[in-house]
Amino acid sequence: AQKVTQAQTEISVVEKEDVTLDCVYETRDTTYYLFWYKQPPSGELVFLIRRNSFDEQNEISGRYSWNFQKSTSSFNFTITASQVVDSAVYFCALSEAPSNTGKLIFGQGTTLQVKP
Amino acid sequence: DGGITQSPKYLFRKEGQNVTLSCEQNLNHDAMYWYRQDPGQGLRLIYYSQIVNDFQKGDIAEGYSVSREKKESFPLTVTSAQKNPTAFYLCASSKGTTYVGEEQYFGPGTRLTVT
Repeated sequence: AQKVTQAQTEISVVEKEDVTLDCVYETRDTTYYLFWYKQPPSGELVFLIRRNSFDEQNEISGRYSWNFQKSTSSFNFTITASQVVDSAVYFCALSEAPSNTGKLIFGQGTTLQVKP
Repeated sequence: DGGITQSPKYLFRKEGQNVTLSCEQNLNHDAMYWYRQDPGQGLRLIYYSQIVNDFQKGDIAEGYSVSREKKESFPLTVTSAQKNPTAFYLCASSKGTTYVGEEQYFGPGTRLTVT
């Protein structure tokens, strides 16, 4: 069965610290897509990144970076030099290509609090 | 500006009443989705629609109904049969399933409280 696990329920850091949010997934398919979304206090989910199962290259976007490792079924998200504006709930999600319904399976989310 | 609108942002209802949540998108997306979010939990899929006049049940469809008469609109009705309707409801859309693995774009959500 498909499943996404974000074991860290809440993380609290002080501004400028680096922080890594963990995501572990389960799927039987060889073709799938992984996503990260940010949910600020306003409630709307903001798309951050998509990665397909054939592309294991790590990605960096400003202070954000993502580490995709198929060997450990993980897709971790690191924020470098965190800022107060990074405080939000972060969701990791999985979409399986063969069924092609577009359905996303979400993890439970990790609440990140960045203190000044 | 293209996007997804959900109205109202906050909704209060008495137990036993049906209530309809609005979702409109002007992104020209074929696919639309409804999710429910409870405190401390991830999003769970209620219903989704890949094309006009067609929709499928998600993981927690009981007590909910939808319609998709127009490409832009995908309203969700929370019926009195839904045992725990108080939650945050999020609508999303994507280009459609001809585009494999596409990201979904989300609306601002409606927080429904039933007493």
